[in-house]
Amino acid sequence: NAGVTQTPKFQVLKTGQSMTLQCAQDMNHNSMYWYRQDPGMGLRLIYYSASEGTTDKGEVPNGYNVSRLNKREFSLRLESAAPSQTSVYFCASSATSGGATEQFFGPGTRLTVL
Amino acid sequence: QKEVEQNSGPLSVPEGAIASLNCTYSDRVSQSFFWYRQYSGKSPELIMSIYSNGDKEDGRFTAQLNKASQYVSLLIRDSQPSDSATYLCAVPLGSNTGKLIFGQGTTLQVKP
Repeated sequence: NAGVTQTPKFQVLKTGQSMTLQCAQDMNHNSMYWYRQDPGMGLRLIYYSASEGTTDKGEVPNGYNVSRLNKREFSLRLESAAPSQTSVYFCASSATSGGATEQFFGPGTRLTVL
Repeated sequence: QKEVEQNSGPLSVPEGAIASLNCTYSDRVSQSFFWYRQYSGKSPELIMSIYSNGDKEDGRFTAQLNKASQYVSLLIRDSQPSDSATYLCAVPLGSNTGKLIFGQGTTLQVKP
């Protein structure tokens, strides 16, 4: 049982380049989330998917797009990277979409945009 | 805007002491509360969840919830150097969304 996995672990981009961060979970969870974590800012929700086939914006969605490919996979795309998107990105999943249940996090992707 | 407030610290305690971490939240209807531990360079790890007023104990950890005061705390007894980490408080955003709001976290340093 791998839990939540993310690829890549590290990435360096130049301004304007695009990339997709991949996330997969093997816990049969319905809900999946993308967060970014910046020093002094805590964890901020970018997008979430309450269930397969649905996605919704979180607190800081600008500059990002997501795809819930199937129940297991939830990807985050940066179409035109900016230095302000330098951050650590975490994917998480939880069992139910209604009500709040524990979220389980992946290991993170450390992204630097030059 | 619903908020979760934590003292960023660092909170420094000697080994063997009790560490007390506090969290206040603004949403009166929140029903569940979570404490995560995050080691430097690692991802958050769930250590406690609490759903009703009072205390919940799990080993050296005790979560305390007071909904009337909108206050949740985490006590760590017999603190160990391995407890040195950032502790994040999380509260649901709305009653039926599954989304959480995280506090900025309190950094705990346990000195041998």
